[in-house]
Amino acid sequence: QLQLQESGPGLVKPSETLSLTCTVSGGSISSSSYYWGWIRQPPGKGLEWIGSIYYSGSTYYNPSLKSRVTISVDTSKNQFSLKLSSVTAADTAVYYCACHMGTAQFDYWGQGTLVTVSS
Amino acid sequence: SSELTQDPAVSVALGQTVRITCQGDSLRSYYASWYQQKPGQAPVLVIYGKNNRPSGIPDRFSGSSSGNTASLTITGAQAEDEADYYCNSRDSSGNHLNVVFGGGTKLTVL
Repeated sequence: QLQLQESGPGLVKPSETLSLTCTVSGGSISSSSYYWGWIRQPPGKGLEWIGSIYYSGSTYYNPSLKSRVTISVDTSKNQFSLKLSSVTAADTAVYYCACHMGTAQFDYWGQGTLVTVSS
Repeated sequence: SSELTQDPAVSVALGQTVRITCQGDSLRSYYASWYQQKPGQAPVLVIYGKNNRPSGIPDRFSGSSSGNTASLTITGAQAEDEADYYCNSRDSSGNHLNVVFGGGTKLTVL
């Protein structure tokens, strides 16, 4: 059973870059079965897909965030990462990492990590 | 990108049946997946594909689809089913590997 765990700073200043890492255990991130994705949820609001990456490095981003998002994968560490640049208070959210098939069903989720954007 | 629309809130009497719907153009091409989220917890996949339940999900949860509408049905709702429910699918506009989520439905069990 796959397990995912997010890590990174819980507080980021406005205009800076938010950086999070997701560590995968219980399986290989190089598996051809899965895409590895980031989803966020502002306090009291719904889920928003940020983007996904395949182990080969192919990336797919939410068009509304594409200009600010970079997702990368490190197969040697069984990790994938999120960078979101030029953050504002609107980027304050719980950030989840998860994996999904090409069908977009997210089978496994991390517990989520709250990132607050504030000076 | 495509959008998926859900009713913000639905209620059901304990033991009764409730249907939660999700509408969007992408559902004409792709199946929806459904997630249950309880306060302070990560979402949990409850239905995927035509009508598949992951291991451990009670069989009172079922899914169906018609045209641009997907439905999640809970037959004999229990108190522990009170939660937020989200649908998602692949995006049928632009890059088909993109993902869209519905806005979520808050289910209250009376």
